[in-house]
Amino acid sequence: EVQLVESGGSLVQPGGSLRLSCAGSGFTFSNYAMSWVRQAPGKGLEWVSAISGGDYSTYYADSVKGRFTISRDNSENTLYLQMHSLRAEDTAVYYCAKEVDPLVGLTPFDYWGQGTLVTVSS
Amino acid sequence: DIQMTQSPSSLSASVGDRVTITCQASQDIANFLNWYQQKPGKAPKLLIYAAYNLETGVPSRFSGSGSGTDFTFTISSLQPEDIATYYCQQYNNLPYTFGQGTKLEIK
Repeated sequence: EVQLVESGGSLVQPGGSLRLSCAGSGFTFSNYAMSWVRQAPGKGLEWVSAISGGDYSTYYADSVKGRFTISRDNSENTLYLQMHSLRAEDTAVYYCAKEVDPLVGLTPFDYWGQGTLVTVSS
Repeated sequence: DIQMTQSPSSLSASVGDRVTITCQASQDIANFLNWYQQKPGKAPKLLIYAAYNLETGVPSRFSGSGSGTDFTFTISSLQPEDIATYYCQQYNNLPYTFGQGTKLEIK
């Protein structure tokens, strides 16, 4: 059974940093592109960042470019999102999501984690 | 960025009704369009991929159609467990973009 389990969300002050993790199991983690998608309270879904399965190519939404870094450790079956210079508008539930292909941009998100809440507030 | 416009934003229907949601892309996305269901407090769930393909395990009352810029999502006979918010998503170009969602309620 495919499982994605996020962790690392918490309350952080504006300007602060946080690292989210997403542990994958039940599938060959290195074979699939992965993304982070966020959802602000009461709002819709916003794609944040993606990383390919094989060559580690990375992609970012303009709203987080230069502040967030996506990475993965295929030996640990774990996806990361390092977030710096956090703003109030980054407050959201952050989901990791698995694609159906190693390359980013070719397939839908077939599995999602349960999400982890990041709150940016003083 | 490709803008996805979903309508309606909310919908109230009775059990057994046929329900239709539309999604319009700001440019041609061929059939690179997915539909997700999100229940309160839960993660989104993939229902339809590549415009009309039913994800494994998803009931056949759900269907999708369309190509280019105009897409439709249909529930042929609404069930109580279908109460959720539904999102379209394009994956023709990065950044992936989602519609604003359609909140479906039981009348």
